[in-house]
Amino acid sequence: KNQVEQSPQSLIILEGKNCTLQCNYTVSPFSNLRWYKQDTGRGPVSLTIMTFSENTKSNGRYTATLDADTKQSSLHITASQLSDSASYICVVTLYNTDKLIFGTGTRLQVFP
Amino acid sequence: EPEVTQTPSHQVTQMGQEVILRCVPISNHLYFYWYRQILGQKVEFLVSFYNNEISEKSEIFDDQFSVERPDGSNFTLKIRSTKLEDSAMYFCASSTGTSDTGELFFGEGSRLTVL
Repeated sequence: KNQVEQSPQSLIILEGKNCTLQCNYTVSPFSNLRWYKQDTGRGPVSLTIMTFSENTKSNGRYTATLDADTKQSSLHITASQLSDSASYICVVTLYNTDKLIFGTGTRLQVFP
Repeated sequence: EPEVTQTPSHQVTQMGQEVILRCVPISNHLYFYWYRQILGQKVEFLVSFYNNEISEKSEIFDDQFSVERPDGSNFTLKIRSTKLEDSAMYFCASSTGTSDTGELFFGEGSRLTVL
């Protein structure tokens, strides 16, 4: 079954600290893996997109990694800010379809 | 910056009523999507639309659902006879390419509450 699992479910960190969020997927074959940020009650906003041949992709303070062999990805956030408080969702696109398969997300809270 | 806009932001309806959710995709985008998110659950794919026809749909998208692009700008999702379990946030998205290649831009969502 095509699934995307994320850990931890929730995370609390202090402003200025770094954190790493994990994603494991069983989607096969896949086209790309995305990380989205979703504020409560808002639409998801794209952070990174990686194809299966890419190992890492950065977008400002966000760096995503992908290991297609172990079917794992991570999102590293450096120097966290209060505005980083949101859910971070790992999304995998099933190959040759329009279907994005979403994970349940990691809820990150950044406190001052 | 161009964005996907959705209306209404929140709609409350009685079970059995018809609901139309509206979306204005980004103007130069060609691929359109509807997703839904039941409270506390994952975002789920409903349907994709390209060249004035459905290109793919999920098992959730049954005969009660339909999509339409009635003019050059709007993209609508219709639920013919709403059920309690249709209560969710519905997100419209658009892109220049397919999900294989294109970045999807999501709207802010329309929250549907079925009583």
